Amino acid sequence: GAGVSQTPSNKVTEKGKYVELRCDPISGHTALYWYRQSLGQGPEFLIYFQGTGAADDSGLPNDRFFAVRPEGSVSTLKIQRTERGDSAVYLCASSSGQGSYGYTFGSGTRLTVV
Amino acid sequence: GESVGLHLPTLSVQEGDNSIINCAYSNSASDYFIWYKQESGKGPQFIIDIRSNMDKRQGQRVTVLLNKTVKHLSLQIAATQPGDSAVYFCAENRGFKTIFGAGTRLFVKA
Repeated sequence: GAGVSQTPSNKVTEKGKYVELRCDPISGHTALYWYRQSLGQGPEFLIYFQGTGAADDSGLPNDRFFAVRPEGSVSTLKIQRTERGDSAVYLCASSSGQGSYGYTFGSGTRLTVV
Repeated sequence: GESVGLHLPTLSVQEGDNSIINCAYSNSASDYFIWYKQESGKGPQFIIDIRSNMDKRQGQRVTVLLNKTVKHLSLQIAATQPGDSAVYFCAENRGFKTIFGAGTRLFVKA
């Protein structure tokens, strides 16, 4: 597609449940990033993929968070045993090369843990 | 810790006036900065970038100024329009990561 697509756009889940958030990057973009944005804050880095591998996952807050990109295109962010503090907008971005150089962001998935 | 941040959380300007959004950073080794615009319900959108070997860069109706001496950059929007209403983030590239400030919300009054 023409842009970065994220699904679902909204997700409400109960505390303790497992969720998966999906990102379809721009076709041909090798770099893919996940960010988390809390209300009133700027996005915070979670993880960066170059191709299929996670080149930097230093932003993942703990081992309940995991992301994959098995074929170097679509990525899934997985959160186990969700907590209310996980509520945020999860943003995906892609770019054509290493480094930021101006990402293209998706519209995000708003996750609410009740 | 080292950070990038904005001076004011909100800015209100009259339609047609120029807007200036300021940002300070702390890492003197920073060499690449980006301004993003975020409208409600959307992801941040790239506006303009600047490298540390430049002190000014112009785009369409936007100009970014970088003052490395005082570690300050600004985004100037000429002839501000209602469609410019959004949150603006300055961001710093650190290798593979982009570090965002907290953002300034720009209100445009008709």
